[in-house]
This record gives sequence, C-alpha cells and structure tokens, in this order.
Amino acid sequence: GDSVTQMEGPVTLSEEAFLTINCTYTATGYPSLFWYVQYPGEGLQLLLKATKADDKGSNKGFEATYRKETTSFHLEKGSVQVSDSAVYFCALSDRGGTSYGKLTFGQGTILTVHP
Amino acid sequence: GAGVSQTPSNKVTEKGKYVELRCDPISGHTALYWYRQSLGQGPEFLIYFQGTGAADDSGLPNDRFFAVRPEGSVSTLKIQRTERGDSAVYLCASSFTGGTPTGELFFGEGSRLTVL
Repeated sequence: GDSVTQMEGPVTLSEEAFLTINCTYTATGYPSLFWYVQYPGEGLQLLLKATKADDKGSNKGFEATYRKETTSFHLEKGSVQVSDSAVYFCALSDRGGTSYGKLTFGQGTILTVHP
Repeated sequence: GAGVSQTPSNKVTEKGKYVELRCDPISGHTALYWYRQSLGQGPEFLIYFQGTGAADDSGLPNDRFFAVRPEGSVSTLKIQRTERGDSAVYLCASSFTGGTPTGELFFGEGSRLTVL
C-alpha cells in the first residue's frame, strides 16, 4: 500500500537558519504530493502541493519539488522564523491532481525555532 | 465561524461506552472526511462522504465505528463499545468537491477522545 516516511524529529533551529525536512513516499500509482502544517492550537492547513514530476510547490517561503526518480518531496526554507514553529506533515493522494481527499500522511515533524 | 467546527473538543469516556463526535463542515462543501490521529502519528483516513452518501468507508477499523451525514452537511462519527485503543484525536475535514483540483482539505481542530 501507499506510505509516506518523514525524517524523524523534533527539529530545533535558530531563527534565520536553513530548514530541510525530508519526505519520501511509496505509491502504486502516480500521486499528488502535499505538505500540511499544524500551528499550535489550530487545525491542519495546506502549505503547498505538487501534482506531477518536477513540479515545485511554494508558499510562505517554503518550497518542495516533486522528484519522481527518488520518490521524494523534501520541504525547504531558506530562513526560518519563530512563527514557523509547528508540526509539518507530508502527504500523498494516489489518484492524481483531481483525486478526492483520501490522503496518506507521514508521521509529522515537530519544528521549533528559537529567537 | 467560517471554518470546520468539531464538537466536543475533548471527550473522556469509560471503556464500553458509546460516543458521538460531531462535525460541521464549511458551508457549501459537498465532500466531508473523517481521519484519526494517534499520538505521535499522522492522520489516518477513516471515511469520505460526497453529499449524504459514504463514498469510501475503507478506513473504518471495524463495525464499532459508523458515520452518518443525513442532510449532506453535518456529520456524526459514532463509536460503540469504546476500547482504550480508540483513544485518539478524531479530525474532520471538508472540501468543495471530492475531486478538488487543489487537493486542499480544510480541517477542524479535532475531537480528542480518551477512553479510560
């Protein structure tokens, strides 16, 4: 079946540091890939997405590129802020860009950014 | 409010009891989803509604779990004969259509269920 593996956390960084959170996946079809974020006290929200190979999703300074050859979708940000402290989830939908919302999530990575 | 609303936010019950969790999706969203998130894990899919019907219930773990959406809006997740292993955060999400091109689900804050 489908699965998503994220780098083990938690991750602790100083403000303005570079962030990478690794994500690899296994899927039987050709999935769409997502990063969701959960800020303290809030529900999960979509951060960015990519629906086909070599697509780059970006939002709020975060980026991730869909790498079919390495089955990866690593999340990066060049300079993190304290307000980026949250739990980040990598996810896939195995029915392409127009799939319904049956997502397979990774286990989540807790990011803490210190001033 | 404008977001997905879930009640109760916290529920503590005893083993063997019956529990109902309610989800009020964003107005106009036809698709509704239930997920379950255990401690330290990502959300796991339970069931998906398109309108009033359950289009995919393949994630329900057993027949103690049941969900309804009788009028195509509010949904209730029902758990019979609760077990300690049912303790988790139950998340509800909605989207405008099942096949939304953005793939974006709008999640509620969840209902935390603790079975003693």
